[in-house]
Amino acid sequence: DTGVSQDPRHKITKRGQNVTFRCDPISEHNRLYWYRQTLGQGPEFLTYFQNEAQLEKSRLLSDRFSAERPKGSFSTLEIQRTEQGDSAMYLCASSPSSGEDEQYFGPGTRLTVT
Amino acid sequence: SQQGEEDPQALSIQEGENATMNCSYKTSINNLQWYRQNSGRGLVHLILIRSNEREKHSGRLRVTLDTSKKSSSLLITASRAADTASYFCATDAGETSGSRLTFGEGTQLTVNP
Repeated sequence: DTGVSQDPRHKITKRGQNVTFRCDPISEHNRLYWYRQTLGQGPEFLTYFQNEAQLEKSRLLSDRFSAERPKGSFSTLEIQRTEQGDSAMYLCASSPSSGEDEQYFGPGTRLTVT
Repeated sequence: SQQGEEDPQALSIQEGENATMNCSYKTSINNLQWYRQNSGRGLVHLILIRSNEREKHSGRLRVTLDTSKKSSSLLITASRAADTASYFCATDAGETSGSRLTFGEGTQLTVNP
């Protein structure tokens, strides 16, 4: 399967713990995006990368959140000191190049903070 | 914040009927895209319409775009039970925003067999 993959698919953690998610985009795709989706809502943009450079971060991305794409391939999203409000589906998407392209989404990581 | 607003929020129809969903947005766009999401799953891209296009077809899907009214509609013809899902419109404001997508809140479509 050459689609976007995310790992893990589900994560249950206790409040205050750190979690890390991984996204493997479609190879050759330069752009990688992270979105967050809460129940009954549409996805909301968090951040995106052009190759290894993180070019924009949403105000939703507090200082407890950090994302990396060290070699311009896979990306990680880390949440430190998780809070119950962080419970959501975290979606990763990739696209071939800048602009005017559809984004290909992964299956998402469902985070539950207890 | 969400730019798009879908209408209706929920739609229930019988198999074989047509389903129409509407989307409104607030800012200038480069293109508008429609996605589908089955419960608890990732999003699947359906169709992209550019700002200089007015109508586009793909199989049983027909999308219209009216940039003067900042609105779009998605028509699914001859619906099937398998079309049951949430449908989202998403706007791409272009390179100045990194081509990130701004999603609406979605329309939950239920097609009854």
